[in-house]
Amino acid sequence: KAGVTQTPRYLIKTRGQQVTLSCSPISGHRSVSWYQQTPGQGLQFLFEYFSETQRNKGNFPGRFSGRQFSNSRSEMNVSTLELGDSALYLCASSLDRREISYNEQFFGPGTRLTVL
Amino acid sequence: AQSVTQPDIHITVSEGASLELRCNYSYGATPYLFWYVQSPGQGLQLLLKYFSGDTLVQGIKGFEAEFKRSQSSFNLRKPSVHWSDAAEYFCAVGARGTYKYIFGTGTRLKVLA
Repeated sequence: KAGVTQTPRYLIKTRGQQVTLSCSPISGHRSVSWYQQTPGQGLQFLFEYFSETQRNKGNFPGRFSGRQFSNSRSEMNVSTLELGDSALYLCASSLDRREISYNEQFFGPGTRLTVL
Repeated sequence: AQSVTQPDIHITVSEGASLELRCNYSYGATPYLFWYVQSPGQGLQLLLKYFSGDTLVQGIKGFEAEFKRSQSSFNLRKPSVHWSDAAEYFCAVGARGTYKYIFGTGTRLKVLA
């Protein structure tokens, strides 16, 4: 079974631009979560989607948004990029459950975003 | 509020030595607990998890962890470290009734030959 894939793997943008990152979960997984990883901050939860619905959101500004499609693929968008948005963005998928907090999450390799 | 603390940012051990990585959590009830490992350039991989029952859990790659409710800890251990264990290790809490994990800030392990 193919793992979680994320595209692109690397991205360089300038301040003020916007960016869209893509995540394809493992086949059969309907829950997709997004995390921002920075040195010293660890992984910060961005949001989680299940069946095209956002079920939970972390403490990030409205510039960070996401969506999920009917095939469970997910995208996240960051508008008006700031230098501090430079990070590794990780996507994780998990099985269909009433709550995901006890599910194993399967992570993709991440998208490395650099904002200049 | 729920939180996870990994007090050691970096740990260096010699190959063959034992390892213990610390994790403390703050949560009102018994949480779901996880340890993940991240090798350079890769995503996170689950090492082990604790939900209930036996407080000593076995994971992959020879790792184990012990849940201690009285200390709010879930420390990861390995009796003999291999050079391939060099990576970053994350402890995580799954808050019951929610749709998210809370991760610690990670511990970077360096293994000396």
